[in-house]
Amino acid sequence: DADVTQTPRNRITKTGKRIMLECSQTKGHDRMYWYRQDPGLGLRLIYYSFDVKDINKGEISDGYSVSRQAQAKFSLSLESAIPNQTALYFCATSDHRTSGGRGEQFFGPGTRLTVL
Amino acid sequence: QKEVEQNSGPLSVPEGAIASLNCTYSDRGSQSFFWYRQYSGKSPELIMSIYSNGDKEDGRFTAQLNKASQYVSLLIRDSQPSDSATYLCAVDSGSARQLTFGSGTQLTVLP
Repeated sequence: DADVTQTPRNRITKTGKRIMLECSQTKGHDRMYWYRQDPGLGLRLIYYSFDVKDINKGEISDGYSVSRQAQAKFSLSLESAIPNQTALYFCATSDHRTSGGRGEQFFGPGTRLTVL
Repeated sequence: QKEVEQNSGPLSVPEGAIASLNCTYSDRGSQSFFWYRQYSGKSPELIMSIYSNGDKEDGRFTAQLNKASQYVSLLIRDSQPSDSATYLCAVDSGSARQLTFGSGTQLTVLP
């Protein structure tokens, strides 16, 4: 089984709809991240969480919200989707406790979101 | 704004050649540096990490770090068609709180 899973893998929605992307991990990592990837722009950080009670905004948090329901689960919500939120979304995890804060991140398979 | 710049691609090399990928970064406080490989439509996969000046070798891959020049590179020896992918350079924020990614270099290895 995959260590980091994302659901759904593909989603087509309409402008104004609320949607949630979910991420679960069995790696036992404490830190979790949400990124979006657009062609030519690389990966941009949306939100990150160091534990259930520590959630931080990333570079491009406007229009998004997150929830860390448990150490293993981190959800990303688009309250009112707009077409320029069409992108590939990745969840990632890292283990600060055993890696000594080195920062290696491990990615889920991604969710391809299209907003019409 | 912390920046990570990668040499513009796409880069094409013949099979068996050495592919050289370069990355510069702006944050002098950065301590950890990573190379990820991403196949089209797939997620980034960590292939190399480096923390100290000098070279680090792992199989056909060698990462090179020069903190004084704020430069990190990835060499792929004996390139194979299966190495064709986009390579992302990632640099930590100095406090290990987050990574900043470059926009990637697309590599094509021609049979």
